[in-house]
Amino acid sequence: QVHLVESGGGVVQPGRPLRLSCEASGYTFSSYGMHWIRQAPGKGLEWVAVIWFDGSKTYYADSVRGRFTIARDDSENTLYLQMNRLTADDTAVYYCVRDSGVQGPELDYWGQGTLVIVSS
Amino acid sequence: DVVMTQSPLSLPVTLGQPASISCRSSQSLLYSDGNTYLNWFQQRPGQSPRRLIYKVSNRASGVPDRFSGSGSGTDFTLKISRVEAEDIGIYYCMQGTHWPPVTFGQGTRLEIK
Repeated sequence: QVHLVESGGGVVQPGRPLRLSCEASGYTFSSYGMHWIRQAPGKGLEWVAVIWFDGSKTYYADSVRGRFTIARDDSENTLYLQMNRLTADDTAVYYCVRDSGVQGPELDYWGQGTLVIVSS
Repeated sequence: DVVMTQSPLSLPVTLGQPASISCRSSQSLLYSDGNTYLNWFQQRPGQSPRRLIYKVSNRASGVPDRFSGSGSGTDFTLKISRVEAEDIGIYYCMQGTHWPPVTFGQGTRLEIK
């Protein structure tokens, strides 16, 4: 069965970097695009970034473009999110999500999330 | 970006009764390939979101048939034929036609009356 496990969250000071990881299992990781989606405490869902199945394309939300980088290591079945210049607005649970779509995104499996708190 | 607007934002329901959630998009979600990339997700308290419906009306694997999706263009609806206790949570619509970015509705909280 598909399993996505995020890690790397924690408390980080404003302006500092943090890298999140998402280990995938139960399917052929290299065949699927992957997204990061976040949810601030008590708030709704916000799409953050996507990486194509082959890593050829990446896209970002305006709120993180230029600060965050999505990447994948298919040899390790792992998705990453490098987050730089963090602010309090980045405080959220970050979900790793599989995309099984061919044209439009089909977000079929979600991890349990990892909490990032940006605070001094 | 496409704005997704859900109503109501809070929906008190009686167990065993039907429930309906509306989602409207700021642009038509019909794509040139003939598909409409409108999804519904359920988030139970303390859990990750779970996909319920994709492409307007297709139930995801394992989703009970009391859940149904309908609509076209800019107007969409999620219906629960008879609400059960396990259905309590927040429901989100999401569009994937005009992306990136993927955009979500604000969420509708389903609660027991």
